[in-house]
Amino acid sequence: EIVMTQTPLSSPVILGQPASISCRSSQSLVDRDGNTSLSWLHQRPGQPPRLLIYKIFNQFSGVPDRFSGSGAGTDFTLKISRVEAEDVGVYYCMQSTQFPHTFGQGTKLEIK
Amino acid sequence: EVQLVESGGALVQPGGSLRLSCAVSGFTFSSHWMHWVRQPPGKGLVWVSRIDTETNTHYVDSVKGRFTISRDNAKNTLYLHMSSLRAEDTAVYYCVRGSRDWVGVDVWGQGTTVTVSS
Repeated sequence: EIVMTQTPLSSPVILGQPASISCRSSQSLVDRDGNTSLSWLHQRPGQPPRLLIYKIFNQFSGVPDRFSGSGAGTDFTLKISRVEAEDVGVYYCMQSTQFPHTFGQGTKLEIK
Repeated sequence: EVQLVESGGALVQPGGSLRLSCAVSGFTFSSHWMHWVRQPPGKGLVWVSRIDTETNTHYVDSVKGRFTISRDNAKNTLYLHMSSLRAEDTAVYYCVRGSRDWVGVDVWGQGTTVTVSS
């Protein structure tokens, strides 16, 4: 099983300032076809998760441009260029390269 | 509009059984892989199972032999049959659509709550 490790687990941020979350996988997420199935999800309190970024850096439909993804192999990063109030909640990275699919522990974004 | 609506969650005793359903609309159900993901109270997300368009299935080890994922394309419905339930199966269960653009997931349902307790 691929273990996904996120840092930090908690991130207090100031509105309008940038934020960054890291995710590391215990093995490479590159599959035999050269694809990397790493995504980022956001879960607001009391709500289901929603997809933000897929295949490292692709924005899902309707996701604001302030969200971006980067990385390769085993190290990945989600960046928010300017945090807005609606961005609070928990962020998860997820790998879908191998079964079982696995998630990071989650990073709680709070407004300072 | 894409919609996934789960139902069937309940309070059940340890060792009991339950069937969750997920009724979908707004997309061609038969063309998508489908997943179940669960979230224990106050904890993170755990992938449970996936069924592809050919009804091939995968499960996380903790539910193998106890849970069965299935689909009825005529009814646009996904199922999760759960048996020999344990306290650690207590969670919100989400029905999640597999993407057509990559092997991961995209749209999530609102979830249904399963509580295993005597």
